[in-house]
Amino acid sequence: GESVGLHLPTLSVQEGDNSIINCAYSNSASDYFIWYKQESGKGPQFIIDIRSNMDKRQGQRVTVLLNKTVKHLSLQIAATQPGDSAVYFCAEMMNYGQNFVFGPGTRLSVLP
Amino acid sequence: NAGVTQTPKFRVLKTGQSMTLLCAQDMNHEYMYWYRQDPGMGLRLIHYSVGEGTTAKGEVPDGYNVSRLKKQNFLLGLESAAPSQTSVYFCASSYFGPYNEQFFGPGTRLTVL
Repeated sequence: GESVGLHLPTLSVQEGDNSIINCAYSNSASDYFIWYKQESGKGPQFIIDIRSNMDKRQGQRVTVLLNKTVKHLSLQIAATQPGDSAVYFCAEMMNYGQNFVFGPGTRLSVLP
Repeated sequence: NAGVTQTPKFRVLKTGQSMTLLCAQDMNHEYMYWYRQDPGMGLRLIHYSVGEGTTAKGEVPDGYNVSRLKKQNFLLGLESAAPSQTSVYFCASSYFGPYNEQFFGPGTRLTVL
């Protein structure tokens, strides 16, 4: 079946470096994507979203890139901080559905 | 605003027992959702509601029932708990539909022995 997946289950970066978390999706009908951050013992927290009619969207220290040609989504975090350590999920919404399909998540560890 | 709250935070059940998880939101959101999260997996939608008095099945509805008698509350029931229902359960809400930010509660960790 079609699903959302992630290239790397874990990612370790040095504090101050930029982080890139990748996500592959296989459903060309998906038209909305969200990145969530989940800290240990807490519920997911919205980071940024993007619609399929966009290629790039920027927030505070975060940028989401969408490449529909290769069905790839990425989250870039600038100047990674210890507080960025968490599991990051991408999720895709299909235009005929009421629910998201979540990926399994990537754990980001920020090294001092 | 408290946002989305969940009761209880932890629960241990024996196989066959029943229980109800309560979700409450004070943001006047129309949509509410129940998800489960298993180790190494993403969230999976159990049931959702698009407004007071409405409910609908998600991806993994079997073994669960829900009710939305009041706009601010969304209840998830397990009539006869099974070990396969051991999981962390998250409730979420959103103002319009799923095409915008969902606000999540802190989760309920349920263990079924």
